[in-house]
Amino acid sequence: RKEVEQDPGPFNVPEGATVAFNCTYSNSASQSFFWYRQDCRKEPKLLMSVYSSGNEDGRFTAQLNRASQYISLLIRDSKLSDSATYLCAVNIPPMNNDMRFGAGTRLTVKP
Amino acid sequence: ETGVTQSPTHLIKTRGQQVTLRCSSQSGHNTVSWYQQALGQGPQFIFQYYREEENGRGNFPPRFSGLQFPNYSSELNVNALELDDSALYLCASSLGGEKLFFGSGTQLSVL
Repeated sequence: RKEVEQDPGPFNVPEGATVAFNCTYSNSASQSFFWYRQDCRKEPKLLMSVYSSGNEDGRFTAQLNRASQYISLLIRDSKLSDSATYLCAVNIPPMNNDMRFGAGTRLTVKP
Repeated sequence: ETGVTQSPTHLIKTRGQQVTLRCSSQSGHNTVSWYQQALGQGPQFIFQYYREEENGRGNFPPRFSGLQFPNYSSELNVNALELDDSALYLCASSLGGEKLFFGSGTQLSVL
């Protein structure tokens, strides 16, 4: 089983739609979780952290399910500018700062 | 922008050659991580440097080596280049933590 897995998509949604991505991780001792956004031919940029209590930033909500070992990202009211690849990152114990990435989920928002 | 700079932006090498990639970390950040990203894949962890010491390594052969300097800038060296080394090489800096701030990467092509 891969350390971090994501549904590669692509997800093609209309503007205004709500879309959700999941990311599963294999190490139950992982403690740090993040979502990154990567535009085509650009570097990944930190989107948000994921906490046990959930994390909301405007139209974006991230959640952690430790029992099932997955994190999720929900995007509400999708905009054209949300089109990108979304990468999840999970730490590999014992080091908190050894971050491993999923292969990414590609989102295209259409008019 | 993240303040993380990488050079060069593009590089073409032939099989068997050696290459050095450079990274200047964001001011105040003491940790540099290097990732390799093949087309359509997520970033793969190569290694991390913290205060000039290697602080973790992914599943890459010894011909991938690195350095970190007192000013926290870093180099990635790859010897005996292979065709499969063609990828985007990303440097990320952090303050000894998990939140990574990426440079724009070096696109390496091995012919």
